[in-house]
Amino acid sequence: DIQLTQSPSSLSASVGDRVTITCRASETLSSYLNWYQQKLGRAPKLLIYAASKLQSGVPARFSGSGYGTDFTLTISSLQPEDFATYYCQQSFSTPWTFGLGTKVEIK
Amino acid sequence: QVQLQESGPGLVKPSQTLSLACTVSGGSFSSGDYYWSWIRQPPGKGLEWIGYTYYSGSTYYNPSLKSRVTISVDASRAQFSLNLTSVTAADTAVYFCARQTATPLYFDYWGQGALVTVSS
Repeated sequence: DIQLTQSPSSLSASVGDRVTITCRASETLSSYLNWYQQKLGRAPKLLIYAASKLQSGVPARFSGSGYGTDFTLTISSLQPEDFATYYCQQSFSTPWTFGLGTKVEIK
Repeated sequence: QVQLQESGPGLVKPSQTLSLACTVSGGSFSSGDYYWSWIRQPPGKGLEWIGYTYYSGSTYYNPSLKSRVTISVDASRAQFSLNLTSVTAADTAVYFCARQTATPLYFDYWGQGALVTVSS
């Protein structure tokens, strides 16, 4: 199985901060990497697919980059509604796998 | 608008079979453009993909659960189901059903989730 390592596992940030979360894969994924946001008690929500493509309806402050084994999710200016847990997920090969998540908390 | 809704018992006894159904509304179930997956999340933990089915009934399961999992389809009711046998406390989780686009591959619609507790 492809392992996804997210860092950091948690972070504290203030509204307006630029936040970067990384996801490293145990083998190359090409661009088959997706990002999800999950709020407490809710289902995950797709933010970014194919490493850098913004899902329809997702604010432009979210962006993704990367190729191969190293990927990044960036929130350019953190908003109050962005405090949540973020997961990367690979769709390069089955079984599909997720990172362990990065919890973004209010400083 | 596509909607998915899980249903089934919230409490299952150890060694018994966990059964959940996911009903899809919005008209996309029999489209060849999607896979229909089950994903679970133990309390306070991360996400684990269980397996998927295609509207035709073909399936693929996570090898870590393959010996205990069956996913079946009832296309006439736009519904797919999960059976997980011989459950233990480690199977206690929120179970999500989700739609996965075939190209590119991502989960774009999710059900709200169903908490299933394994306990005697």
